[in-house]
Amino acid sequence: QQPVQSPQAVILREGEDAVINCSSSKALYSVHWYRQKHGEAPIFLMILLKGGEQKGHDKISASFNEKKQQSSLYLTASQLSYSGTYFCGTEVYDTDKLIFGTGTRLQVFP
Amino acid sequence: NAGVTQTPKFQVLKTGQSMTLQCAQDMNHEYMSWYRQDPGMGLRLIHYSVGAGITDQGEVPNGYNVSRSTTEDFPLRLLSAAPSQTSVYFCASRTGQGNSPLHFGNGTRLTVT
Repeated sequence: QQPVQSPQAVILREGEDAVINCSSSKALYSVHWYRQKHGEAPIFLMILLKGGEQKGHDKISASFNEKKQQSSLYLTASQLSYSGTYFCGTEVYDTDKLIFGTGTRLQVFP
Repeated sequence: NAGVTQTPKFQVLKTGQSMTLQCAQDMNHEYMSWYRQDPGMGLRLIHYSVGAGITDQGEVPNGYNVSRSTTEDFPLRLLSAAPSQTSVYFCASRTGQGNSPLHFGNGTRLTVT
């Protein structure tokens, strides 16, 4: 039931773009995205609810393909502050469980 | 606003000891949950609650008990600690609606020797 995230790790230079993917074998009600810095708690980025919906948060956006049960997080013109581990969390219809993937570690260098 | 408050921040236990990790929120959130985080494993759901008096199991509930007597508090109990329970524990809360974000506490780092 745990969603699958890819890639496991990404290394970028400032200004480069990245895409993080999250897929599930279950029919999803929602997909959450969070970022966690080392030694800190995860911080909420965005939630996607509908098929094809796309949301944005500064230069970070995400999409949700309801037919494929996949979500992608897009980081555009990355900044040093984007470094951290990104987690997707998925919620299946008729459950109250938010289940997280194993995370994608993103490192941005000058 | 205090948000979600977890205590203690650090704890060392010996195998077989029991303890309670405290979690309190002041946002009147109906939904509360406990996760454990281990390297390479992500955040795994232990138990969750959709309201006072209601609790349910998550992905990894064995060895843990919870109760929810008030909206504000959701303690996690380890009855007989094992080294496999060495981890960082996060409590999180949100409104009752599924389209609302989780608010996390700052975590409790537990070591069982």
